[in-house]
Amino acid sequence: RKEVEQDPGPFNVPEGATVAFNCTYSNSASQSFFWYRQDCRKEPKLLMSVYSSGNEDGRFTAQLNRASQYISLLIRDSKLSDSATYLCVVGTSGGSYIPTFGRGTSLIVHP
Amino acid sequence: NAGVMQNPRHLVRRRGQEARLRCSPMKGHSHVYWYRQLPEEGLKFMVYLQKENIIDESGMPKERFSAEFPKEGPSILRIQQVVRGDSAAYFCASSPNTGSGANVLTFGAGSRLTVL
Repeated sequence: RKEVEQDPGPFNVPEGATVAFNCTYSNSASQSFFWYRQDCRKEPKLLMSVYSSGNEDGRFTAQLNRASQYISLLIRDSKLSDSATYLCVVGTSGGSYIPTFGRGTSLIVHP
Repeated sequence: NAGVMQNPRHLVRRRGQEARLRCSPMKGHSHVYWYRQLPEEGLKFMVYLQKENIIDESGMPKERFSAEFPKEGPSILRIQQVVRGDSAAYFCASSPNTGSGANVLTFGAGSRLTVL
């Protein structure tokens, strides 16, 4: 089983749609959780951290379910500019702190 | 604050040559991570360093790859005797030692290595 798993997509949605991405992780001792965004041929950039209580930033909502080892990202009112790859990141300390990246979920928002 | 600086942005090498990739972390960041991204693949962890110390190199291939982060100057990822399979984007990221952002990585723009 991979450490961090994501559905690669692509998710192809119209502008204004709501879309949700899921991510599962295998290490129950993981302590930090993030969503990053990566545009084509660019570096990953932090979108938001994910907390057990859930957190929201504008149109983006992230949730963490530690019992199920599951992380989600919800994007409401999708914009064309949301088209990108969304990376689920899980940080684990087993002596040293190493963030592990999922393969990413591709989102295409069309007019 | 210039962010994480990587150079060169693009590097072309022939098989058997050496590639050196450099990374200067953000000001105030003491932790450096190197990741490799193959075409159409995710980011794979390679090595985690602090000044003058390799903390975790569990993701580094056993041969031909080495990394350092000297007391002065940038972190360097060195690939000796490159092969075509080394062609990839190599991303460096840094994080602060303490504080609320201690676990958050900030990435450089990456170095794209092409091996002919």
